[in-house]
Amino acid sequence: DQQVKQNSPSLSVQEGRISILNCDYTNSMFDYFLWYKKYPAEGPTFLISISSIKDKNEDGRFTVFLNKSAKHLSLHIVPSQPGDSAVYFCAPHGYGQNFVFGPGTRLSVLP
Amino acid sequence: EAQVTQNPRYLITVTGKKLTVTCSQNMNHEYMSWYRQDPGLGLRQIYYSMNVEVTDKGDVPEGYKVSRKEKRNFPLILESPSPNQTSLYFCASSSHISGGKLFFGSGTQLSVL
Repeated sequence: DQQVKQNSPSLSVQEGRISILNCDYTNSMFDYFLWYKKYPAEGPTFLISISSIKDKNEDGRFTVFLNKSAKHLSLHIVPSQPGDSAVYFCAPHGYGQNFVFGPGTRLSVLP
Repeated sequence: EAQVTQNPRYLITVTGKKLTVTCSQNMNHEYMSWYRQDPGLGLRQIYYSMNVEVTDKGDVPEGYKVSRKEKRNFPLILESPSPNQTSLYFCASSSHISGGKLFFGSGTQLSVL
């Protein structure tokens, strides 16, 4: 049973426009919701997170929105830059639980 | 510097020849895990460990072994590698109080001929 879904395997956006990456989950026990960014041949790196008590967290060009009732979160990148081209993984987490990852969305930002 | 160190970075071997990929972290993290990444399949978890002497299967454990005798080390063992284990492998660690933030190694590209 897939606990985390990212229904868009890939996304192409023009430089300067907004990128929106979506993630849906099923486990209501998740306390933290994280996004990781991965470049080819490198390990994933932490990008931004949000705890379950908030509905929005912002860090520069990156904003994560959480809708707990819908079990949905999204990552907004504004403005998108070519260096943002990478695979983005949604990774919810509950205290004391194993870590789970979504299948990832490949973002391509076109110059 | 806080880091997760994997070795080797690249490895080419032949079917059936036992190998070990090492993973070490210097952050005193309780949790460690191994993942493999294959084209179109995202990150799939192989094994994980919540603490010393505590290991459990992930999504794709077949053909792999792990051990957690010390907190800092979590080696991945392939007793009899097969070509379908050709993949990019990542080790990761975390503290459970860190809000779920995982630290990843740089990866090991394994080719089994």
